[in-house]
This record gives sequence, C-alpha cells and structure tokens, in this order.
Amino acid sequence: AAGVIQSPRHLIKEKRETATLKCYPIPRHDTVYWYQQGPGQDPQFLISFYEKMQSDKGSIPDRFSAQQFSDYHSELNMSSLELGDSALYFCASSISRTSGSRDTQYFGPGTRLTVL
Amino acid sequence: AQSVAQPEDQVNVAEGNPLTVKCTYSVSGNPYLFWYVQYPNRGLQFLLKYITGDNLVKGSYGFEAEFNKSQTSFHLKKPSALVSDSALYFCAVRSRGGNTPLVFGKGTRLSVIA
Repeated sequence: AAGVIQSPRHLIKEKRETATLKCYPIPRHDTVYWYQQGPGQDPQFLISFYEKMQSDKGSIPDRFSAQQFSDYHSELNMSSLELGDSALYFCASSISRTSGSRDTQYFGPGTRLTVL
Repeated sequence: AQSVAQPEDQVNVAEGNPLTVKCTYSVSGNPYLFWYVQYPNRGLQFLLKYITGDNLVKGSYGFEAEFNKSQTSFHLKKPSALVSDSALYFCAVRSRGGNTPLVFGKGTRLSVIA
C-alpha cells in the first residue's frame, strides 16, 4: 500500500539558511500534519491542513510557514535556521471522508534536518 | 488540555515473556487513543487505536491494548515478546471532533532480551 512520502530524507544546512521540506500524503488523504521530533524527544505538533486550508496550529515558530497545494501535497518552509531546529520532521496524513479510517494519522519516514 | 504519561522510560523483558508498556492520559471528554512504534531512524508506525466499543483493542504484530476509563489508562500488551519488538513506543491521544493533532507521551524504550 502507498505510504506517506517525504523529501528529502536528510538535509544539512548552515545557520540562517532556509530549507523546504516536502510531504506527499497517502492518495485520497485530505489532511496533512507536520510534527517535529527533537533528539530523544516525543513528536511535537507544528501545523496541519485540511483541504488546503490551515486546520490547527501548534508550536510552530514564526520563522516557519507551510501550505497545502491543490494536489494535497504540503511543504514546510523554514527560514533563518537555528541550531535548535535540528530535528526529525514528520509529516502525517489522514482522511476525513471515510468514518472507518479517518481517525488514524499515518506517518512518513521523516526528514532529518541538521543545522550546522 | 490533553496530556499523556508514559511512566517508564525503559522496559526490559525476556523473549517469550509477556510485555506491558504503560500509558495514562488526560483529556476532556472521550478520547481517541493510539499506540505507535518507532524503530531506529524510521518513521512512526501505527499499531492500534481505541475509538469506541470493546475496551480490548487488537492491533498489528500481535499487540493489544486495554482501555480503562476509570483509571484513564491505555496499556499496551503482548502475550509473548520477540526480540524484534525492541523499539521505542509512543502512546498518543487526540480529542474527538475534526482532524485534531496528536499529543504524544515521552515514549518508552522496549528492550526484549533473547
């Protein structure tokens, strides 16, 4: 079965640079979530989109922005990168239309961002 | 506000023995509860969930979890542990209504010893 695709899988950036992470949800999934997992930490919710509109907002820094496109893929844009942004960034997707599976978020493999 | 507590950072169990990974939650109203597993350098894999119905939920790889409303717990169990079950396990909760985000516990590292 198709899974959530994230690219790139690894990214190395310098301080103050920008980064763009991409997420391709499972086909027919209409909701995308972004989570950040620091070293040894649990995943923390950043932001989510439903049908291309922002749905919920968590602890996302003002330096970050995200959007969901017409094909439902999403991008997380990160600017003025700081050392503390080094983390594993997960994208998850879910479907809201089918009651049987709509409650489950399926996660991608993550993008490991290292800021030097 | 929602929260999840996983009281054990580490659980060690011998292969073939039963395992339990504990989780308690706090949420207003009825919760949606989930267990995910994370292998090294991998994403989070969905194991099982409780939405409504039977308190005992069966999931992937022989895992099951029991929802206990009075104790606000959702412990993960497996009758016979395998070495390949060694991984990081996260309990998560979300409130009902809409596509709300997950709130995770701190995770429990399970080590199954041969």
